[in-house]
Amino acid sequence: EAQVTQNPRYLITVTGKKLTVTCSQNMNHEYMSWYRQDPGLGLRQIYYSMNVEVTDKGDVPEGYKVSRKEKRNFPLILESPSPNQTSLYFCASSLRLAGDNEQFFGPGTRLTVL
Amino acid sequence: SQQGEEDPQALSIQEGENATMNCSYKTSINNLQWYRQNSGRGLVHLILIRSNEREKHSGRLRVTLDTSKKSSSLLITASRAADTASYFCATDHTGNYGQNFVFGPGTRLSVLP
Repeated sequence: EAQVTQNPRYLITVTGKKLTVTCSQNMNHEYMSWYRQDPGLGLRQIYYSMNVEVTDKGDVPEGYKVSRKEKRNFPLILESPSPNQTSLYFCASSLRLAGDNEQFFGPGTRLTVL
Repeated sequence: SQQGEEDPQALSIQEGENATMNCSYKTSINNLQWYRQNSGRGLVHLILIRSNEREKHSGRLRVTLDTSKKSSSLLITASRAADTASYFCATDHTGNYGQNFVFGPGTRLSVLP
């Protein structure tokens, strides 16, 4: 089944404790992206990747890192999480550039930073 | 910065009625897409309209795009309870390496049986 998977789905952590949220897609998509969703703000793009080893900042990249060593995986790294990073995170992928391609979304990761 | 802004923020209608949601954006776009999100779940793509298109249909969905007014509308005809969800428009912009996406805050639609 074609899908985008994220792990973990739920995470409660403490300030400063490094964490990684994994994202994987099995559709051979070139474009992958991370978003955070907060009430009243919709989805905001954190980082995106055009292909392996090609990443760029979205609208809210501060406090996050990403890497794209393999086409299928696009992990999101929080080196030192803070409470303002408590949010619902979505990974998405599309065949090529997102603009004229449908994005497929993962189920989301709900992160709480205490 | 928010590019897409949906209007209204929330909409309640009776089953069978039509629902119209609007999206406005600030800068020129290449494409505009609409997505649906059921509570707390991932978004699902509904329809894409390119900047050189004015109207598009998909089943009970009708999307219009007015680039002169920088706005788009999504019409859902003969709504059903299952259409209850949040609806987002998304526009694409060119970043350093490619295109990144901007979503609006969404319209929360409730269809009452």
